[in-house]
Amino acid sequence: DGGITQSPKYLFRKEGQNVTLSCEQNLNHDAMYWYRQDPGQGLRLIYYSQIVNDFQKGDIAEGYSVSREKKESFPLTVTSAQKNPTAFYLCASSKRHQTSTDTQYFGPGTRLTVL
Amino acid sequence: GIQVEQSPPDLILQEGANSTLRCNFSDSVNNLQWFHQNPWGQLINLFYIPSGTKQNGRLSATTVATERYSLLYISSSQTTDSGVYFCAVKAGTALIFGKGTTLSVSS
Repeated sequence: DGGITQSPKYLFRKEGQNVTLSCEQNLNHDAMYWYRQDPGQGLRLIYYSQIVNDFQKGDIAEGYSVSREKKESFPLTVTSAQKNPTAFYLCASSKRHQTSTDTQYFGPGTRLTVL
Repeated sequence: GIQVEQSPPDLILQEGANSTLRCNFSDSVNNLQWFHQNPWGQLINLFYIPSGTKQNGRLSATTVATERYSLLYISSSQTTDSGVYFCAVKAGTALIFGKGTTLSVSS
């Protein structure tokens, strides 16, 4: 099956810990994205990557880090510097980032709770 | 930056009713998408519609780019239509989301 997978589905973290959320796609898409969703809100962009070994900050990058060593994978690390990390995290991918006809497709999400 | 406003914020319908969801945006865009987020959180692509009209089964969408709004029509609603509907626009490099319309369809 082609698509985007995220793991784990649920994640619990103690304050002061770093955690890494996994995102993998087998759609052969160049661009990948991480969004954060808070209750009753729309999605906000954390980081995006247009190609391997390149990534750019989105609107709310503080306290997060990413890597893009492989085309298929774009893991997100939520560091202890992120002051309010409890949220629903969604990964997306698209064929190209810059073109106007770019359509993004989303994974099932990871729900992170800080205890 | 560009602002995206969706209305109404909440909508409650009986099964079989029709509805119209609206998305207003504050500047010219070159990309507009509608998504449905189901109760489990999965975002499902409904339409890519920067202008014009498209239909897919009971759903249709119209974007009037010159007047900076888009409409999503749901006809003969079903309980499986429940969830949150998001409009997202792209003016440069980033996709900007509205806050969504939460639809509840009861049988």
